[in-house]
Amino acid sequence: QQQVKQSPQSLIVQKGGISIINCAYENTAFDYFPWYQQFPGKGPALLIAIRPDVSEKKEGRFTISFNKSAKQFSLHIMDSQPGDSATYFCAATGGGNKLTFGTGTQLKVEL
Amino acid sequence: DGGITQSPKYLFRKEGQNVTLSCEQNLNHDAMYWYRQDPGQGLRLIYYSQIVNDFQKGDIAEGYSVSREKKESFPLTVTSAQKNPTAFYLCASSLGLASNEQFFGPGTRLTVL
Repeated sequence: QQQVKQSPQSLIVQKGGISIINCAYENTAFDYFPWYQQFPGKGPALLIAIRPDVSEKKEGRFTISFNKSAKQFSLHIMDSQPGDSATYFCAATGGGNKLTFGTGTQLKVEL
Repeated sequence: DGGITQSPKYLFRKEGQNVTLSCEQNLNHDAMYWYRQDPGQGLRLIYYSQIVNDFQKGDIAEGYSVSREKKESFPLTVTSAQKNPTAFYLCASSLGLASNEQFFGPGTRLTVL
């Protein structure tokens, strides 16, 4: 019940394209779903987060879509840029549970 | 300039040796965490601390030890009992255990020779 499953493991997108990363969770007590961005050799940094009372949250080119009934959420990166090349982690917490991370997606944006 | 610092950035250890990784924060956060990162496995929680002089095991605590003598500091010792210690170690902090947002340090890459 603590798992957060993330896919794909790696993703290659052309510059200007849309990057989509998906996550699924099992624990219905989770009520906070952040996405972290990590550049090589650096620590992860919070990118965007959502709570289940909304189905979508947008910040600039980054959008989280949330489907409570399916227990799924996804990150969309619009107009992907080479500078977006990084590893992205979804995570979930809530109901007294510690932050649980997905396994990460390595995104490469090619020119 | 607030944040989390980890040192050293790179660390090499011979088999059978204990080694201590440093983590310091000046964010006045109560909770601190240690994660291990391996390729394809995401971040796995080693230990966490809610307050000074208190800490709890995470999912993969075997072969590791911690202390929390000061609010700002949460050092991690990788002991010789850890069978596969080569990894990237990340320290994080948050306002409290119930706080959702964790702030991460830059990490320490440990290599066992």
